[in-house]
Amino acid sequence: GAVVSQHPSRVICKSGTSVKIECRSLDFQATTMFWYRQFPKQSLMLMATSNEGSKATYEQGVEKDKFLINHASLTLSTLTVTSAHPEDSSFYICSARRRARDRGRLSEQYFGPGTRLTVT
Amino acid sequence: SQQGEEDPQALSIQEGENATMNCSYKTSINNLQWYRQNSGRGLVHLILIRSNEREKHSGRLRVTLDTSKKSSSLLITASRAADTASYFCATGGAQKLVFGQGTRLTINP
Repeated sequence: GAVVSQHPSRVICKSGTSVKIECRSLDFQATTMFWYRQFPKQSLMLMATSNEGSKATYEQGVEKDKFLINHASLTLSTLTVTSAHPEDSSFYICSARRRARDRGRLSEQYFGPGTRLTVT
Repeated sequence: SQQGEEDPQALSIQEGENATMNCSYKTSINNLQWYRQNSGRGLVHLILIRSNEREKHSGRLRVTLDTSKKSSSLLITASRAADTASYFCATGGAQKLVFGQGTRLTINP
């Protein structure tokens, strides 16, 4: 199987503080990891694409300096929400794409269980 | 922007009935995927249908794809209470996924 974990599953922080969320691929190497944000009863919105060893690519409207992404290894990507505000409260979900072994084979994305961030 | 649009936004049916959800998209695709999300949880991949396929089955799931209409449907037969969840279609494949707005399905016992 392909298991992706996130830590923490829930976090409550005070406005102005920073929070780090980890995304790990447990049994495979992930060349690419994706970070999504989901507001209540809404769909997932891609925030950024993280490639191991290089800078993340952010979607339009996502502040790079506010949402810091680091993909230091093939099994770990972190998302740091800096100077968090109540409007950053959301469900953050990561996914990891396995390194494709065969050319032409679609590399499926495997999703983590999500992290519920509440900023008070 | 979200490419996929799904309808209905919410669906409530009795256990044992069939549930059909639809998804429309705007651009050309290589494949389309369906995911399930239980409340407050991550996504579970259900099924992938390629652009050259018209129908695909997996257990109680049946997915159709009409590339001429840029639409797909997910049918869950003989629904169970455990099928209560949100269902999303997504396009993009190995590249970044673009999700539809989702259908919240409630199965009443």
